[in-house]
Amino acid sequence: NAGVMQNPRHLVRRRGQEARLRCSPMKGHSHVYWYRQLPEEGLKFMVYLQKENIIDESGMPKERFSAEFPKEGPSILRIQQVVRGDSAAYFCASSRQGASNEQFFGPGTRLTVL
Amino acid sequence: QKEVEQNSGPLSVPEGAIASLNCTYSDRGSQSFFWYRQYSGKSPELIMFIYSNGDKEDGRFTAQLNKASQYVSLLIRDSQPSDSATYLCAVNDGQAGTALIFGKGTTLSVSS
Repeated sequence: NAGVMQNPRHLVRRRGQEARLRCSPMKGHSHVYWYRQLPEEGLKFMVYLQKENIIDESGMPKERFSAEFPKEGPSILRIQQVVRGDSAAYFCASSRQGASNEQFFGPGTRLTVL
Repeated sequence: QKEVEQNSGPLSVPEGAIASLNCTYSDRGSQSFFWYRQYSGKSPELIMFIYSNGDKEDGRFTAQLNKASQYVSLLIRDSQPSDSATYLCAVNDGQAGTALIFGKGTTLSVSS
């Protein structure tokens, strides 16, 4: 399956713990985007990365959240000291290099903070 | 603040009817327009996209753009119960690597 992969699919953390979400883009895609979907809310952009570079992090909360896309391996969204308000579905999307900006989504990680 | 507005619904149509979904966007610089379908508990699935230069038809789906009114529509012909889902409208400036701005979605219910 050449689709966007995310893991884990479900993640439960207690307040104050760290959450690490992983995303592998579709084959041939070099752009990775992270979105968050809160209950009853729309999808909100968080960050856009290419290999080894953060291109746009205008949607990332200023504290506790970070993202990376290393030369080797998946992109990682890291949330430190999680709070209940971080409970949401986190989706990764990827797109090709070039003018088209069709973004294809992975299955998401459902984060629950107890 | 760039915004995309959609009626949350639910929009209810009988099987075989045409479902018409709409969204408006605030940024006049928007150049690409996307429709995603999201089933409950699942991820968004891209079903249609159009650029600012025209409408598009793909099977039972037609996407239409009215740039003057900043309005995008999705028509689903011969609606099926399997079309029941939330439809998300998204826009961006058409450049590779820019974020999509999403509406909150319209829930469509197709009754058999």
